[in-house]
Amino acid sequence: GAVVSQHPSRVICKSGTSVKIECRSLDFQATTMFWYRQFPKQSLMLMATSNEGSKATYEQGVEKDKFLINHASLTLSTLTVTSAHPEDSSFYICSAKESSYEQYFGPGTRLTVT
Amino acid sequence: QKEVEQDPGPLSVPEGAIVSLNCTYSNSAFQYFMWYRQYSRKGPELLMYTYSSGNKEDGRFTSQVDKSSKYISLFIRDSQPSDSATYLCAMSALRVWEGADGLTFGKGTHLIIQP
Repeated sequence: GAVVSQHPSRVICKSGTSVKIECRSLDFQATTMFWYRQFPKQSLMLMATSNEGSKATYEQGVEKDKFLINHASLTLSTLTVTSAHPEDSSFYICSAKESSYEQYFGPGTRLTVT
Repeated sequence: QKEVEQDPGPLSVPEGAIVSLNCTYSNSAFQYFMWYRQYSRKGPELLMYTYSSGNKEDGRFTSQVDKSSKYISLFIRDSQPSDSATYLCAMSALRVWEGADGLTFGKGTHLIIQP
């Protein structure tokens, strides 16, 4: 079956630094990747939609200059949280899809900003 | 065998019918069970959250968790065309919103409610 991996699974960084999260589709070509964020006791919130080779489309309220998304290949998308602050601490999960409606989610990355 | 099995469908039913969506899992450590609904080009939204075994009702939605059988269900009563979406089950061994590891999701069931 289709597998999506994320790296790292957990990361702790200091306030003001940047952190990069990778999302990979391991056995299929992901034409579209999604990035979600989940705060405690909240649903997964879509942050952005990324199509390979194109600029990401960000949801309302998501700062595109703070959350840099790169989808340079059909198997890799990266989310870089720039100048991270404690309020950015959250659970970030990506998903990837081929042309069908099915999305395959990564296992998530727990970011803690101290 | 995947940790969580969910029939991707599509499942097509007439309006007003009772819909039953199911997932099975193999990891006995799972204790928290969730159902997400996802409309096209939208992020999944949390529908139901259940801890351990039992039933939980919220409006037209009822979730059932049977840990002894490692089987969870979501029932939708009086289904509406607006219920047409993809429904994902998800589960975790620990409370995901208290610093636990990632969720294990099912693949999602594409549900179509015919007017």
